[in-house]
Amino acid sequence: QITLKESGPTLVKPTQTLTLTCTFSGFSLSTSGVGVGWIRQPPGKALEWLALIYWDDDKRYSPSLKSRLTITKDTSKNQVVLTMTNMDPVDTATYYCAHSQAGTGDAFDIWGQGTMVTVSS
Amino acid sequence: EIVLTQSPATLSLSPGERATLSCRASQSVSSYLAWYQQKPGQAPRLLIYDASNRATGIPARFSGSGSGTDFTLTISSLEPEDFAVYYCQQRSNWPWGCTFGQGTKLEIK
Repeated sequence: QITLKESGPTLVKPTQTLTLTCTFSGFSLSTSGVGVGWIRQPPGKALEWLALIYWDDDKRYSPSLKSRLTITKDTSKNQVVLTMTNMDPVDTATYYCAHSQAGTGDAFDIWGQGTMVTVSS
Repeated sequence: EIVLTQSPATLSLSPGERATLSCRASQSVSSYLAWYQQKPGQAPRLLIYDASNRATGIPARFSGSGSGTDFTLTISSLEPEDFAVYYCQQRSNWPWGCTFGQGTKLEIK
């Protein structure tokens, strides 16, 4: 059974750096075709894809946020970490991590429960 | 960046009716199109991948079709639990990209 869980601060101040950790089980991020992505959703708004890291350490970022994002993986700890610099109140959102695999067209087939992050001074 | 446009923004139907949701891409995404269902306070759930393949455990009343730039999610006969927000998502390779549509809210009439 695949599970993912996001963790990190619930409140950050403007200009600070946000660090979120996705801890997963039930799969290995060293298996060919597997990826873990980050997606966010501001309150009452649509989903927005942020970043994706693949089993072979290939990393992809949203073009509009690329300069602020870094995604890394620790295969031994079954974790993926997303950092976002220079946080702003518009970055207030629920942040999800999700599993993807080539067998389901790289779609996000299993999601974490999400973690709400508020940006406020 | 490929933009996905979903229509309508809101769809009002009754249980038992057929729902047809549309997703249009600004350029071809081949068949790399997925559909998700999201209920209030919950994470999205994958329904369809590669435009027409149902994900594990998804009822047969959900079906997807289309390729290139025009895609459709059809719910053949609405059940009470189907009223939710639906998102499409593309994962194109040429160029590489990943975007979500703005969502369609399916509400009870």
